[in-house]
Amino acid sequence: GQQLNQSPQSMFIQEGEDVSMNCTSSSIFNTWLWYKQDPGEGPVLLIALYKAGELTSNGRLTAQFGITRKDSFLNISASIPSDVGIYFCAGQIETGANSKLTFGKGITLSVRP
Amino acid sequence: NAGVTQTPKFRILKIGQSMTLQCAQDMNHNYMYWYRQDPGMGLKLIYYSVGAGITDKGEVPNGYNVSRSTTEDFPLRLELAAPSQTSVYFCASSYTNTEAFFGQGTRLTVV
Repeated sequence: GQQLNQSPQSMFIQEGEDVSMNCTSSSIFNTWLWYKQDPGEGPVLLIALYKAGELTSNGRLTAQFGITRKDSFLNISASIPSDVGIYFCAGQIETGANSKLTFGKGITLSVRP
Repeated sequence: NAGVTQTPKFRILKIGQSMTLQCAQDMNHNYMYWYRQDPGMGLKLIYYSVGAGITDKGEVPNGYNVSRSTTEDFPLRLELAAPSQTSVYFCASSYTNTEAFFGQGTRLTVV
């Protein structure tokens, strides 16, 4: 099946720093999504991207749909302690009723105060 | 507006036992999904439904069954629990089959 690659598995940053995360695939995707999961909770949608080249912001978060449609990145600016969690990328290759989301393995972000 | 509600939150099963994980959504979403999450492995799709009365297999359906008799409910059934089914299970729903909203999860341990 399709795979989405997220690395590294863990990232450690200092409060106030910016951080960027990548998600790549060998397949072309039509939709890219970024989710955050807090400990003991379900994933929460942060940003959805639908067009190649699209750049979308949600507060301190910015995500881009790569021009090749094989990658996406998420940037968090001026990190704060509550940014701690697991960040998943997800994508859809097709559209339509039976298309399914593929998830990356996630990146665990730690923020040092 | 409760969103996606999963019960129970935690469960311990013995090998060979059966149980049903409940999922309900109050957003009138047609699409519903069951995922399992194992450490460091992301989310794997077990089953999904595009509407009441319609279900289909995802990536890892073996050992599970689902039904969708109403728009609101999408229970997941384990008939003969095995240690490999120890995982965190997430139910999700979507209006557009893209932006999925997740429940809080059910942590299942099979011993």
